[in-house]
Amino acid sequence: DIQMTQSPSSLSASVGDRVTITCRASQDISDYLNWYQQKPGKAPKLLIFAGSSLQTGVTSRFSGSGSGTDFTLTISSLQPEDFASYYCQQSYSPPYTFGQGTKVEI
Amino acid sequence: QVQLQESGPGLVKPSGTLSLTCAVSGVSISISNWWTWVRQPPGKGLEWIGEIHHRGSTNYNPSLKSRVAILIDKSKNHFSLKLSSVTAADTAIYYCATTSVDEMVLRATDSWGQGTLVTVSS
Repeated sequence: DIQMTQSPSSLSASVGDRVTITCRASQDISDYLNWYQQKPGKAPKLLIFAGSSLQTGVTSRFSGSGSGTDFTLTISSLQPEDFASYYCQQSYSPPYTFGQGTKVEI
Repeated sequence: QVQLQESGPGLVKPSGTLSLTCAVSGVSISISNWWTWVRQPPGKGLEWIGEIHHRGSTNYNPSLKSRVAILIDKSKNHFSLKLSSVTAADTAIYYCATTSVDEMVLRATDSWGQGTLVTVSS
């Protein structure tokens, strides 16, 4: 199985901050990396697919970068509605493993 | 716009079989997507369980492979999850979802049901 390691596991930030979350794969996964946002009591929501492509309807505050084994999710200016948990997922080979998650808190 | 809705018992006894159904609306289940199950133990992260294609191909998480089966019923436009020999460790919110695969998206799970909590307890 491909292991996905996210960091940090949690972070405290303020409205307007630039936030960066990293995800590392245990082997080369090319661009097969997705990012999801999950709010309490809700299903995950796709934010970024193929490493850097913004899902339709998702604000451009979110951006993704990276390829191979190292990836980054950036929130350019944190807004109140962005406080949530974020997960990366490799879609290169099954099982399509998730990172352990990053909780973004005030 | 695809919509997915999970249904099934919220309580399953240890050693029993967990059975959930995901009703798909807004699109035919015979489109070229993969129909996916993901679970999340309370307060923990996401675990990919497996998926099925309308042509019948399946992929399962090896950690569950001996206990899991995902089936598809095209006549009812739904797919289902069966997990046998359950223990308390299988207590989780179970999500059904759909995964798109193409040259642009590569592979991404882009629509999700609301999730259903299944508790394993006697």
